[in-house]
Amino acid sequence: DAKTTQPNSMESNEEEPVHLPCNHSTISGTDYIHWYRQLPSQGPEYVIHGLTSNVNNRMASLAIAEDRKSSTLILHRATLRDAAVYYCTRDDKIIFGKGTRLHILP
Amino acid sequence: ETGVTQSPTHLIKTRGQQVTLRCSSQSGHNTVSWYQQALGQGPQFIFQYYREEENGRGNFPPRFSGLQFPNYSSELNVNALELDDSALYLCASSVRGNEQYFGPGTRLTVT
Repeated sequence: DAKTTQPNSMESNEEEPVHLPCNHSTISGTDYIHWYRQLPSQGPEYVIHGLTSNVNNRMASLAIAEDRKSSTLILHRATLRDAAVYYCTRDDKIIFGKGTRLHILP
Repeated sequence: ETGVTQSPTHLIKTRGQQVTLRCSSQSGHNTVSWYQQALGQGPQFIFQYYREEENGRGNFPPRFSGLQFPNYSSELNVNALELDDSALYLCASSVRGNEQYFGPGTRLTVT
C-alpha cells in the first residue's frame, strides 16, 4: 500500500509563500513523487513531480529530501485561486490519501 | 488538443443494476486510470490500463471491470450496484509513468 502522510489542513495569507509537507517513508528507489490539487467540484489537477532532485515549474517548486522520505511542495506566492486540497502521491498508479486542505486568507 | 472527457456527467441507478461509464483520453496518451472518490475523501485507485491491458488494480472487487480500446478511450463497468458505490468516478489519462490528466468525473448515485 503506497502510503503518504500529510497534514489535514493548512492556512496561509494571500501573497505569502506556502510550504506543504508530505512524508513517504516507505518510498521505493524508483517511485516518483507526484503532487496534485483538487479545486472544489473539479477533478484533480497535476501540479508537479520529481524523483530525486528539486523541481520547478510555473505552478510550484518541489523540494525532495536527500533520503527521499519526505518532500515539500512550495507555492511561492499564494493566491485565493490556490485554495484547494493538495495530494502528495507515489508512483503513477496514484494512491491518494486525504490530502491537505489549503485555506488562503485574503 | 482536447482534454479528458467523461460521460455521462451524472447518473442515477438502482441497487443491483449495472452501469457503464466512459472516458475519452487526451490525444497521444496510452494509459488510462480510473478512480472512485467518495464525498470528503481522496480518490481511490480502481485500476489502470496501458495499451489495452490491465496494468494494476486497487482494492476493488471483480464486479468493477474495465476496457481500453485501440483509440485509448476507456470504459468502467460496475455490476450488481451497491449503495456504497455512490461516488464521483474519475478517469485520468497519461503517457505511461508521466503526469496524469483528469476528467471532470461522473457522479453516480445508487438508490
